[in-house]
Amino acid sequence: DGGITQSPKYLFRKEGQNVTLSCEQNLNHDAMYWYRQDPGQGLRLIYYSQIVNDFQKGDIAEGYSVSREKKESFPLTVTSAQKNPTAFYLCASSRRTVQETQYFGPGTRLLVL
Amino acid sequence: SQKIEQNSEALNIQEGKTATLTCNYTNYSPAYLQWYRQDPGRGPVFLLLIRENEKEKRKERLKVTFDTTLKQSLFHITASQPADSATYLCALINSGNTPLVFGKGTRLSVIA
Repeated sequence: DGGITQSPKYLFRKEGQNVTLSCEQNLNHDAMYWYRQDPGQGLRLIYYSQIVNDFQKGDIAEGYSVSREKKESFPLTVTSAQKNPTAFYLCASSRRTVQETQYFGPGTRLLVL
Repeated sequence: SQKIEQNSEALNIQEGKTATLTCNYTNYSPAYLQWYRQDPGRGPVFLLLIRENEKEKRKERLKVTFDTTLKQSLFHITASQPADSATYLCALINSGNTPLVFGKGTRLSVIA
């Protein structure tokens, strides 16, 4: 089965702790993305990566970090610098370029207490 | 400034009727526009793509129009069913090598 997996589905952390969200794809896609979704806010782009070992900031990158060491993996770290980390996080990928159709994972809901 | 707006946050319609959702954009010149469906607690799923030189695209009960003069796309679901209830997002491709830009979505409820 080809697709994008995100784990875990729900994640709880204490305030001040860094947390890493996993995103893996076996679609052989080049481009990958991270979005944050809050109620009434739509999708907001955090980071994206077009190739391995390269990534760009999106609209709301502050307080987040990413890495792209392997084509199939694009983990997102929510750092303690992120003021309001509680949100629904979505990972996506597209086949070659950032201008193509995106395929989304099931999402991770992060709750910071 | 650049904006992409989906005019209704929520739309309620009776089963069997046609649902029409609107996506307007300002200060973009998109080569194409896409529509996605998102169910609660899940990731969006791609539905349809329409290019700037296409007036209309159809897929089963779905129809999308794209008017570059009005800077607007309309998304229609004919013979709507309760299973069509979801949030629908439009997304457009901007110039240059930048990712898709998404609207905030319209939450559609089809009432039996």
